[in-house]
Amino acid sequence: QVQLVESGGGVVQPGRSLTLSCTASGFSFIDYGMHWVRQAPGKGLEGVAAVSSDESFKYYIDSVKGRFTISRDNSKKTLYLQMNSLRSEDTAVYYCAKDGNLLTGYYDNWGQGTLVTVSS
Amino acid sequence: DIQMTQSPSTLSASVGDRVTITCRASESIRSRLAWYQQKVGKAPKLLISKASDLESGVPSRFSGSGSGTEFSLTVSSLQPDDFATYYCQQYNSFPWTFGRGTKVEIK
Repeated sequence: QVQLVESGGGVVQPGRSLTLSCTASGFSFIDYGMHWVRQAPGKGLEGVAAVSSDESFKYYIDSVKGRFTISRDNSKKTLYLQMNSLRSEDTAVYYCAKDGNLLTGYYDNWGQGTLVTVSS
Repeated sequence: DIQMTQSPSTLSASVGDRVTITCRASESIRSRLAWYQQKVGKAPKLLISKASDLESGVPSRFSGSGSGTEFSLTVSSLQPDDFATYYCQQYNSFPWTFGRGTKVEIK
């Protein structure tokens, strides 16, 4: 079965950096687009970034453009999110999610999430 | 960005009730709509894609309908396991956006 396991969350000061990782198993990682979706405490869901199977397409929401970088290593079946210049409003649980297809835009499997807290 | 408006925000219902949640898009998204269920402290779970395609393993009491700008999720007979928050999401154009959620509570 599909498994997505995130890691790398924690408490970080505003302006600092953090890198999240997501290790995938149970499916052909190289065949699917992948996503990072976040959920601020007590709030709804927000798709943050997406990457196609071969990294030829990358998408970011405006609020993280220029600060976050999504990438993947298909040989390691791992997805990354490099987060720079972190702000308090980036505080959230970050979920790694598998696309339903190449990069259709919906999420058919999710990880358990990793909490990022931006606070001084 | 396409705005997704869900209603109601909270729904109180009893086991066995038929419940319907609606989702409206600010412009046409064809049938590119997904529904997710999220329980407290857990990751969301995909229930339905392409407005009405039930994911494998999802009980048949869940159904989705609609196209264009108006969509709905119906649970034909609410079960104890169904008390959760439900989100709609459009994936017709980036940024792919979610509704604010509908919390289904025990009456």
